[in-house]
This record gives sequence, structure tokens and C-alpha cells, in this order.
Amino acid sequence: GESVGLHLPTLSVQEGDNSIINCAYSNSASDYFIWYKQESGKGPQFIIDIRSNMDKRQGQRVTVLLNKTVKHLSLQIAATQPGDSAVYFCAENRGLDNAGKSTFGDGTTLTVKP
Amino acid sequence: GAGVSQSPSNKVTEKGKDVELRCDPISGHTALYWYRQSLGQGLEFLIYFQGNSAPDKSGLPSDRFSAERTGGSVSTLTIQRTQQEDSAVYLCASSLGTTYSYEQYFGPGTRLTVT
Repeated sequence: GESVGLHLPTLSVQEGDNSIINCAYSNSASDYFIWYKQESGKGPQFIIDIRSNMDKRQGQRVTVLLNKTVKHLSLQIAATQPGDSAVYFCAENRGLDNAGKSTFGDGTTLTVKP
Repeated sequence: GAGVSQSPSNKVTEKGKDVELRCDPISGHTALYWYRQSLGQGLEFLIYFQGNSAPDKSGLPSDRFSAERTGGSVSTLTIQRTQQEDSAVYLCASSLGTTYSYEQYFGPGTRLTVT
């Protein structure tokens, strides 16, 4: 069946280093991907998205890379800060008809050490 | 502006009782979603409302779960005859529901504990 999964459940980095969080998906029909950040006790918060017709998109300190050949996407955070400590989820959508049925991975917990 | 709000923030109930969880979406958002998140897990899709269309209920785990959305705004998720495995955080989200972006804005969630 379809699934969206992350390679590592936890990631620990030093403050100021770059972080890379990976996600693999299995459904080749997926055409829209989103990264969310969830801090303790809060709902997920949108970080950045990318459509399947792109392979890279940049935001403020974050970059998402999409490799459709191997069904893999990653979230890169530059100069990681303590405030970046959270659980990060990737999610995939398959077209407008399924817009509400985002499939989420289990999340990667990012810990930033001062 | 105001974000998505949910109430109550915490709910403790006894096994077998019914519970109602409320979601107030962002004004103007036509799409509304309910998810369930167990401890340390990802989000499990439950149900999706889009405008006046029939809701997509394909994620509801059993017929004990139901949801309504009145007037295209507030939504209520009802769980009947609660079971211990229903214990989780129930998250509501809303979005503009356009083809431009599927970005969902989440509420803080309702933590449900069934004893």
C-alpha cells in the first residue's frame, strides 16, 4: 500500500550546523508535498511545499529537494537554531480530488544542541 | 488574525461514554479536516469537508465516529461509546481549498483520554 516514511525517527545536530531530514514516499502518483513542523503541545505548522514539476524550492533558511526518480524528498535547514527543535513531518497529496487526504509520515524529531 | 481553534483542549472520559470535539476553522476557509495523532506517531486522516460537497469519510476508523460541519464553518467530531484505543490528540485543520495551495492550518488539538 501507499506510505510516506522518514528515514530516521530522531536527529540531533549542533546549533549553527545544517540539518537534513529525509522522507521517502511510495506512491508515484503523488504530485504535491509539504513539510510541517510540530512543536510540543501544538498542531503542525506549514514550513514549505513543492509540486512534482519542481525538484527544488527554497524558503527562508529551508530548502526542499524532490527526487521523483527514487521517490525521495528532503528538508534542509541552514544554520539550525534551538527554536528549530521540533518534530518534522512530510506529507503527500495526489491531486485536487484528494486534496484533503494528505498522507503523513511518522515524523523526525530534531534536537538542536546549544 | 484568529487561527483554528479547538475545544476542549483536554477531555477525560470513561469508557463507553460519548464525546464531542469542536473545531472553529479560519474564517473563509472552505476546507476542513480532522486528523488523529497517537503518541509519537504521525497524523491519521479521519474526514474531510470541502464546501457543500459530501464529506470524504473514508478515514473514519469505525461507525462510532461521525462528524458534521454546520453552515460551512464550525465542525463537531463525535465519538460514541468511547474505547481506550480512542485515546489520542484529535487535530482539526482548515485551508482555502483551492488548487493553488493545499496548505493546511492546524488547531492546537484536543487531547482525549479514555479511562
